[in-house]
Amino acid sequence: DAKTTQPNSMESNEEEPVHLPCNHSTISGTDYIHWYRQLPSQGPEYVIHGLTSNVNNRMASMAIAEDRKSSTLILHRATLRDAAVYYCILRDRLNDMRFGAGTRLTVKP
Amino acid sequence: GAVVSQHPSRVICKSGTSVKIECRSLDFQATTMFWYRQFPKQSLMLMATSNEGSKATYEQGVEKDKFLINHASLTLSTLTVTSAHPEDSSFYICSASSRGRKNTEAFFGQGTRLTVV
Repeated sequence: DAKTTQPNSMESNEEEPVHLPCNHSTISGTDYIHWYRQLPSQGPEYVIHGLTSNVNNRMASMAIAEDRKSSTLILHRATLRDAAVYYCILRDRLNDMRFGAGTRLTVKP
Repeated sequence: GAVVSQHPSRVICKSGTSVKIECRSLDFQATTMFWYRQFPKQSLMLMATSNEGSKATYEQGVEKDKFLINHASLTLSTLTVTSAHPEDSSFYICSASSRGRKNTEAFFGQGTRLTVV
């Protein structure tokens, strides 16, 4: 029972921004929102995480809705190397790290 | 970011034999490790969670006697697939985290592609 909902797939053009949405309407007040991505035949890699405020790092930004029921991962300039499956995860128990279906991002040159 | 090394990256074994997969955290203390299985074009399925020094907690439907997990130290966890069969062929991935804290990121191994013939 995935706690997050993401579109199955999205397309983007190279060097354009990409906004990947995630709905998590049952989020609790202490859940952190994590994003990971998985390139083909590799283990997932960490992208970003946060609690309430929008966050930025060198890879991406994450915008969190005021009611925290949704978040958006923002890739400011998509490259071909950003083509991957992106997973939005809520960590709601100390030992919880479950994946939903994720969004497959295709980047067109 | 931290490094998690998973070995081997690929393994082919005969049906009925056992295979051990190692997962090492190279530069931090992994108090919690997660093991996943991933079939083609599917998401990662959590198999078990292990805390250092404790028995692993298995997800429903995962046979603990078939998938033996050992997490004896803060830098090493192993998954042994016992009496492997072709249906166990899959991509196995480990992940390491510190003290299961949800406000810290988890780091993943490169994955092990197991083929049982």
